[in-house]
Amino acid sequence: TQLLEQSPQFLSIQEGENLTVYCNSSSVFSSLQWYRQEPGEGPVLLVTVVTGGEVKKLKRLTFQFGDARKDSSLHITAAQPGDTGLYLCAGSPTGNQFYFGTGTSLTVIP
Amino acid sequence: GEEVAQTPKHLVRGEGQKAKLYCAPIKGHSYVFWYQQVLKNEFKFLISFQNENVFDETGMPKERFSAKCLPNSPCSLEIQATKLEDSTVYFCASSQSRQGGMNTEAFFGQGTRLTVV
Repeated sequence: TQLLEQSPQFLSIQEGENLTVYCNSSSVFSSLQWYRQEPGEGPVLLVTVVTGGEVKKLKRLTFQFGDARKDSSLHITAAQPGDTGLYLCAGSPTGNQFYFGTGTSLTVIP
Repeated sequence: GEEVAQTPKHLVRGEGQKAKLYCAPIKGHSYVFWYQQVLKNEFKFLISFQNENVFDETGMPKERFSAKCLPNSPCSLEIQATKLEDSTVYFCASSQSRQGGMNTEAFFGQGTRLTVV
């Protein structure tokens, strides 16, 4: 059983569509991070959410942290082919290591 | 440096040979983490260090795998007597320390792809 479950696992959409990726856990996190990984590269940090209910925007990406700090979502508006990649949420409830979500592989078709 | 540097980018070893991977964390970062990326999406934690001390090694296989972070040297992950199943991408990440422990953000290197033939 994974500590952080993401859904959907795979997503293929047309350019211009909107989408939401979810990251859920039964554990409370002091913060959650979102990463994007492209083929052959390491994960790149997109954002960290810290406060329950917090909403952060990064251009067309909107990140939200659940009020109870057990879940988070990533919403992309008007997706572009450059958004294609593997999206990962991650957190450290124990302070010893980072736990990663199960990942969402996004393909945006031109 | 300003980024986590992993070397080599690709490593090919015959089954039974030793493999050694290196990671230079971002300057000033006290924590180093090693992960395997298995099944394309899953990041499997191996070990973490706080400076040169092992911080958490709960993910390290008991046999064949070892790791070190020595002062003034890149951190290393060594696999003795490699097996076919060790073939995957290994990522290193580093994190700053903050009051009370490690920071909440980790920055990753580009990974080392190990292929055991």
